[in-house]
Amino acid sequence: NAGVTQTPKFQVLKTGQSMTLQCAQDMNHNSMYWYRQDPGMGLRLIYYSASEGTTDKGEVPNGYNVSRLNKREFSLRLESAAPSQTSVYFCASSADRGRYEQYFGPGTRLTVT
Amino acid sequence: GEDVEQSLFLSVREGDSSVINCTYTDSSSTYLYWYKQEPGAGLQLLTYIFSNMDMKQDQRLTVLLNKKDKHLSLRIADTQTGDSAIYFCAESRNSWGKFQFGAGTQVVVTP
Repeated sequence: NAGVTQTPKFQVLKTGQSMTLQCAQDMNHNSMYWYRQDPGMGLRLIYYSASEGTTDKGEVPNGYNVSRLNKREFSLRLESAAPSQTSVYFCASSADRGRYEQYFGPGTRLTVT
Repeated sequence: GEDVEQSLFLSVREGDSSVINCTYTDSSSTYLYWYKQEPGAGLQLLTYIFSNMDMKQDQRLTVLLNKKDKHLSLRIADTQTGDSAIYFCAESRNSWGKFQFGAGTQVVVTP
């Protein structure tokens, strides 16, 4: 049982390049989330998917797009990377209503030069 | 502004108790959580408390909730070096479970 997996673990991009961060969970969870973590700012929600087929903006969606490919997978795309997007990105998932524990992936450390 | 606030740093001697504090602003919060993040890793849920509870104890961890003051605390008894980490307070605000995290408290345990 792998839980939440993310790829890649590290990535360096040049300004203007694009990339997709992949996330998958094997816990049959309905809800999935993308966060970014910056020093002194905690976790900020970028996008979330309450259930398969739905996605919604979080606190800091600008510059990102997401796809809920199926129940297991939720990807985050940077179309034109900017230095301000240098951060650690975490994917998380949680089960349906009634219990809201989130399970986190190990994170992707992204540097944009 | 930030809706969940925590102090940024706590230093504690090994064997002492640690108390990490958190304040939140949304009185409609349903669940309040404490997460632990070790270096280079994701967040791991330590414990959570329903908003209709005042206290929850789980082995070395004690969570206290003061709803009137919107104050949440986490006490770690007999703190060990393995407790050195960043601790995040979080709340979920509505029925489907959207989360708001604090900035995290860096806990350093010294011998």
